[in-house]
Amino acid sequence: AQTVTQSQPEMSVQEAETVTLSCTYDTSENNYYLFWYKQPPSRQMILVIRQEAYKQQNATENRFSVNFQKAAKSFSLKISDSQLGDTAMYFCAFMNIGGAQKLVFGQGTRLTINP
Amino acid sequence: NAGVTQTPKFQVLKTGQSMTLQCAQDMNHEYMSWYRQDPGMGLRLIHYSVGAGITDQGEVPNGYNVSRSTTEDFPLRLLSAAPSQTSVYFCASRMTSGSVYNEQFFGPGTRLTVL
Repeated sequence: AQTVTQSQPEMSVQEAETVTLSCTYDTSENNYYLFWYKQPPSRQMILVIRQEAYKQQNATENRFSVNFQKAAKSFSLKISDSQLGDTAMYFCAFMNIGGAQKLVFGQGTRLTINP
Repeated sequence: NAGVTQTPKFQVLKTGQSMTLQCAQDMNHEYMSWYRQDPGMGLRLIHYSVGAGITDQGEVPNGYNVSRSTTEDFPLRLLSAAPSQTSVYFCASRMTSGSVYNEQFFGPGTRLTVL
């Protein structure tokens, strides 16, 4: 079974700073997807970024980028020029390609951006 | 499209009561699933369905029943509520097409308290 671990329960940075959230996962599969989801106080789950395991290039979406290290099974999220609206819970998640394609989530990191 | 809808948004139950959390989607998605979110534990899969008439257990199925009589609806039933079922419940759906990635869409969540 796959597991996803986020070892930082809470983080706090000043507005405009860069912050990196950590995620490690365990799987014996070779083909899979990795995700970062954002959950603001509204509770809505918002997909931030996606990475396909077969792609060596790290995914980027505007101020959000990932550092995907397949051999180390590490998948960190970097938020550049952080904004107050980035304050949220962030979840790392794993999904197998094929089969039931179940999403497995990490425990979450509560990120606070301070003015 | 309304996307994924959940009712109710909030519910308080007494121990031993039964209730059904409703979930519907209007995107003709084959795959639907239920998660519970607890502090420090992320989202955990309760049950999922890959199509009408097909359901399967996830990581934490005990105390919950599901059925999938139509493509659109995927209700979650608590037969005898327990305080341990106090949580936020999310329904989600997506297309399924083999190894092709399809984004998973989440409902707004239901906050359930069992006294």
